[in-house]
Amino acid sequence: NAGVTQTPKFRILKIGQSMTLQCTQDMNHNYMYWYRQDPGMGLKLIYYSVGAGITDKGEVPNGYNVSRSTTEDFPLRLELAAPSQTSVYFCASSKGQGNQPQHFGDGTRLSIL
Amino acid sequence: DAKTTQPNSMESNEEEPVHLPCNHSTISGTDYIHWYRQLPSQGPEYVIHGLTSNVNNRMASLAIAEDRKSSTLILHRATLRDAAVYYCILCLYTGTASKLTFGTGTRLQVTL
Repeated sequence: NAGVTQTPKFRILKIGQSMTLQCTQDMNHNYMYWYRQDPGMGLKLIYYSVGAGITDKGEVPNGYNVSRSTTEDFPLRLELAAPSQTSVYFCASSKGQGNQPQHFGDGTRLSIL
Repeated sequence: DAKTTQPNSMESNEEEPVHLPCNHSTISGTDYIHWYRQLPSQGPEYVIHGLTSNVNNRMASLAIAEDRKSSTLILHRATLRDAAVYYCILCLYTGTASKLTFGTGTRLQVTL
């Protein structure tokens, strides 16, 4: 079972470049999430989606955009990369709310130089 | 958002039980208590969750205080593979989605 798959695993960007982090899940989960984790810190929520066509901001949305055209995919877009966006990015999905666990991918390690 | 407080680190010997404490004195009546763990270079992994009653699963047990202001994750027999950062999280349901607010967690070291 694949679960939540993130690509790429590693990426180095130059300041001002753009890129899309891909996330796909094969569990037919309605809810999907993007987090970032800075060194030595816990995860912070960037954006989330409760279903295809519905997205909302989390705690740290500035500098990012998302879309949700299908149940399976939830890409995260960085338009103008900045050094402050150097982090490890995790995508997660869950079946529902509150009492449903979130399933995480293995992360994308992004460095912006 | 309600916050949780955990010790920064704990140590355990292999094959011994481990009790990881968490304080959440500002918990609301609808907040679920979730525990996740994160092994090095991996994404967080769900461990267990509960609302009011104690819970058991194949990975661990969760003991919730009667007033719900604290909880304890219990690993019955720690192994080297249990060395990870353990996060105690209050799962806030906003009416549209549930949000996990991660703190810095407890780093568990397991030694032979």
